[in-house]
Amino acid sequence: NAGVTQTPKFQVLKTGQSMTLQCAQDMNHNSMYWYRQDPGMGLRLIYYSASEGTTDKGEVPNGYNVSRLNKREFSLRLESAAPSQTSVYFCASSEQAGQGAYQPQHFGDGTRLSIL
Amino acid sequence: SQQGEEDPQALSIQEGENATMNCSYKTSINNLQWYRQNSGRGLVHLILIRSNEREKHSGRLRVTLDTSKKSSSLLITASRAADTASYFCATDARGFKTIFGAGTRLFVKA
Repeated sequence: NAGVTQTPKFQVLKTGQSMTLQCAQDMNHNSMYWYRQDPGMGLRLIYYSASEGTTDKGEVPNGYNVSRLNKREFSLRLESAAPSQTSVYFCASSEQAGQGAYQPQHFGDGTRLSIL
Repeated sequence: SQQGEEDPQALSIQEGENATMNCSYKTSINNLQWYRQNSGRGLVHLILIRSNEREKHSGRLRVTLDTSKKSSSLLITASRAADTASYFCATDARGFKTIFGAGTRLFVKA
């Protein structure tokens, strides 16, 4: 009954360091997403994966890369962290996006990332 | 740019009162959703209303949609302390890309 699991829950990095945020879902969903949430800004889409083997840019992809490792896992990588990337990062999944009827997204509890 | 914008930004009410939150959006949509976020947690989907629907109910939740005004409202009746959370509207005008608003922070005082 785990749903969407994100690791780590908290992380502090120094400017220029790299890091990979992990996300796994156990609901057999096809589509997965990475968002960042900043105060007063709502959620902004970084990257998404409509299905295994595909990834596409969202609204704010600069400074990030993603890998859809398999159907369950979708990772987000910061190659050279910058203070502007301090945020809370959420991973989400849904059954299949873009197929007519909207599929609600299921969210993990987030990774709180601070970059000094 | 954000598709959905909630109003008010914050709302404080007494337990038992009704809470109304509004959402406005800019472009045509297929449907609109409302999500709840408890402090320190991820978002949870509450309800979806399609563009050809005007009102929808789920338990103590009532959602309306006015496509001519590009607006929606979420009403929580007989609110409880456990309803304290942030509430977000979201639209999917662009297929895969659900666009979330900045949210309304609701505080229900016991």
